[in-house]
Amino acid sequence: DAGVTQSPTHLIKTRGQQVTLRCSPISGHKSVSWYQQVLGQGPQFIFQYYEKEERGRGNFPDRFSARQFPNYSSELNVNALLLGDSALYLCASSMTADGNTIYFGEGSWLTVV
Amino acid sequence: GIQVEQSPPDLILQEGANSTLRCNFSDSVNNLQWFHQNPWGQLINLFYIPSGTKQNGRLSATTVATERYSLLYISSSQTTDSGVYFCAVLTQGGSEKLVFGKGTKLTVNP
Repeated sequence: DAGVTQSPTHLIKTRGQQVTLRCSPISGHKSVSWYQQVLGQGPQFIFQYYEKEERGRGNFPDRFSARQFPNYSSELNVNALLLGDSALYLCASSMTADGNTIYFGEGSWLTVV
Repeated sequence: GIQVEQSPPDLILQEGANSTLRCNFSDSVNNLQWFHQNPWGQLINLFYIPSGTKQNGRLSATTVATERYSLLYISSSQTTDSGVYFCAVLTQGGSEKLVFGKGTKLTVNP
């Protein structure tokens, strides 16, 4: 079975632009979470969606938004990009929303110039 | 919010050596997981271990929830064990939010 898949794997954007990152969870998993990891730090929680509803939101500005589709895939959108948004964006999926084993994708490396 | 501290921040070993990584957390948890991040960035789930001891090959983990710490043991280390090891705990309160420590960067030299 395929693991968590993310696209694109690498991208470069200019300050002020907008970006959309995509994630497909493991088949059968209904929970999708997004994390931001800057160099030298652990991942930071951005959003969690379960059954297409937002279950949690981390301490990120409103420029960050996300949604989950009926097939449980998800998109993360970031508007008005800043240099500080340069990071690895990780998507994670799990079967339920109660914190059992969580599986991560390979991530999307975003560079803002 | 809950704090997660990992030690040591960096560890350099010769192939074949053993090591112990530690994770302390500031509040009671019912979900703790260890991850290995490879050089390409992917996080691999090693253990889901809210309490007790588990073993998987050369790796084992122990969580003592009452004393708020967890240990990851790596025996007979190999160069492929290199990378960053993260401990993460799940916060209470409705969302599946993992709080990560800053990680231990392990380098295993041949």
